[in-house]
Amino acid sequence: DQQVKQNSPSLSVQEGRISILNCDYTNSMFDYFLWYKKYPAEGPTFLISISSIKDKNEDGRFTVFLNKSAKHLSLHIVPSQPGDSAVYFCAASAVGYGQNFVFGPGTRLSVLP
Amino acid sequence: ETGVTQSPTHLIKTRGQQVTLRCSSQSGHNTVSWYQQALGQGPQFIFQYYREEENGRGNFPPRFSGLQFPNYSSELNVNALELDDSALYLCASSSPGTGVSRDPSPSATGELFFGEGSRLTVL
Repeated sequence: DQQVKQNSPSLSVQEGRISILNCDYTNSMFDYFLWYKKYPAEGPTFLISISSIKDKNEDGRFTVFLNKSAKHLSLHIVPSQPGDSAVYFCAASAVGYGQNFVFGPGTRLSVLP
Repeated sequence: ETGVTQSPTHLIKTRGQQVTLRCSSQSGHNTVSWYQQALGQGPQFIFQYYREEENGRGNFPPRFSGLQFPNYSSELNVNALELDDSALYLCASSSPGTGVSRDPSPSATGELFFGEGSRLTVL
């Protein structure tokens, strides 16, 4: 049973436009969420996080929105750049889970020049 | 600052064999977690080590075992390899403390810093 879902395996966006990556979770105990980016032959790198006490966190071109009632979060990248092309993983954790993060299956983003 | 390094980067084993994967954590990090990433899937938590003790385990059988050394480096051992063990094995270290930070700033503790992984193929 997948606790963290990313229902879009892939997404293509034109350079300069907005990329929106979605993530849904089922475990209501989750209260801390992160986004990771992964290039081929590299390990995932941390992008941005949000805790359940907030509904938005922004860092430069990246903004994460959290809708707790819908158990949904999204990552907005604006403007998208070709260097953003990668696989994006949503991850979640909860008090008592330590640093056992539950990852989604990932969404492959392609930013077209 | 030295990042997380893993070895070997690639290896091929046959069913029934045993494998040891190694990880050096990022400087200043005392917590190491291991994840398995099968093709087309997200990383799955195997276990975590904090100050040389196992500190949490995912849904993996006992033939997956680990160690953490006084310098915080770590090993993942898998016995009796099965075909389904073929995957990318990721090691991640994190900054002092075992709790998940509630501070959403990028520099807060709790985020995992991953190595490039060890790709294991079991034939």
